[in-house]
Amino acid sequence: SQTIHQWPATLVQPVGSPLSLECTVEGTSNPNLYWYRQAAGRGLQLLFYSVGIGQISSEVPQNLSASRPQDRQFILSSKKLLLSDSGFYLCAWSVHSTSGRSEQFFGPGTRLTVL
Amino acid sequence: AQSVTQPDIHITVSEGASLELRCNYSYGATPYLFWYVQSPGQGLQLLLKYFSGDTLVQGIKGFEAEFKRSQSSFNLRKPSVHWSDAAEYFCAVAREKTSYDKVIFGPGTSLSVIP
Repeated sequence: SQTIHQWPATLVQPVGSPLSLECTVEGTSNPNLYWYRQAAGRGLQLLFYSVGIGQISSEVPQNLSASRPQDRQFILSSKKLLLSDSGFYLCAWSVHSTSGRSEQFFGPGTRLTVL
Repeated sequence: AQSVTQPDIHITVSEGASLELRCNYSYGATPYLFWYVQSPGQGLQLLLKYFSGDTLVQGIKGFEAEFKRSQSSFNLRKPSVHWSDAAEYFCAVAREKTSYDKVIFGPGTSLSVIP
């Protein structure tokens, strides 16, 4: 069966510090990968998606970047965190498909607090 | 452009009562529709999905949803709510024929259950 891991689970960082959040998927190959941010009391905002190694697309301009160094690894980074980067970050994967018929499976999330 | 609305930000029901969470979408073609649930501090779990066929779909945990094309709706229902159903519920729509499975999420409805 497939599983998705995210770490760390929680993180408290000072403004201006770097960030690296990691997501890995097991039990599947060539998945689509996604990073979402969920601000307090709000819905999900898609930040990045990837359809393959080294292929990253950004949905919104921001202070963050993403990389996919391996097929099942997706990393969210920042060189200098802002207060507005605080939130709940969710990684998700889906079967690579052009039909739109495959649902997304979510990791447990990382709670980031920037002080 | 696609969009998903969930008119109810917060709903409170008594345990054992019936539940209906509303979802409306805007999309020019046949949508692929999903309902996800998120417990506090956790990732999202898929409750059910609609791609085609029978417009009444059954999901996990006793939930069901009905697709009504004429009303552009995909409301989630449960005949008898349990205290463990207290969570955030997200409706989502996916596009077909794209190079990735981009899913647009609604803002969510928070469900509280009174004992």
